[in-house]
Amino acid sequence: RKEVEQDPGPFNVPEGATVAFNCTYSNSASQSFFWYRQDCRKEPKLLMSVYSSGNEDGRFTAQLNRASQYISLLIRDSKLSDSATYLCGTERGGGADGLTFGKGTHLIIQP
Amino acid sequence: DVKVTQSSRYLVKRTGEKVFLECVQDMDHENMFWYRQDPGLGLRLIYFSYDVKMKEKGDIPEGYSVSREKKERFSLILESASTNQTSMYLCASNPRSASYEQYFGPGTRLTVT
Repeated sequence: RKEVEQDPGPFNVPEGATVAFNCTYSNSASQSFFWYRQDCRKEPKLLMSVYSSGNEDGRFTAQLNRASQYISLLIRDSKLSDSATYLCGTERGGGADGLTFGKGTHLIIQP
Repeated sequence: DVKVTQSSRYLVKRTGEKVFLECVQDMDHENMFWYRQDPGLGLRLIYFSYDVKMKEKGDIPEGYSVSREKKERFSLILESASTNQTSMYLCASNPRSASYEQYFGPGTRLTVT
């Protein structure tokens, strides 16, 4: 079974700070990685895809370290609205096989 | 925007009942998925389908079946609901392409009493 591990947190971070958390994966053949954001009682929504070394979108940066088999998510200048659970996922197998997710990291941005 | 809809947001059923959860997507996606999400266990894949009338078992298929008679619709069936199937059920879809990105529906919170 392909595993994806995340620190569940919660991470309590003051507004404006930079926060980073990691996701480790066990399948060295994995090529595609995803960060989803999930608000309380809502569905996961795609935040960022990572297919090579990394990706950046505004305040969010995802980096892939294949040697150590982890991906990280960095959030700069954190906002109260960034409070959510962040799920890491990677492909289970072939293109139609769905994703394997970690259990999520809970982030709380404090005023 | 991709839209994935699920028939109910909240559902309460009794043990032993047959339960149908419906999912519809409007983006002509080939691939559809059913997950369940539980505290401490995360999202787990139950079944998926890559074409009409095709289905594949995910990681936790026991106690469930699925039906895909039309491309846009994917149904999850609990033949005889049990209390350990109380959960949040999430449907997702994506196109048959190199992308694995999935689009989720709003979820159905099922309580089996």
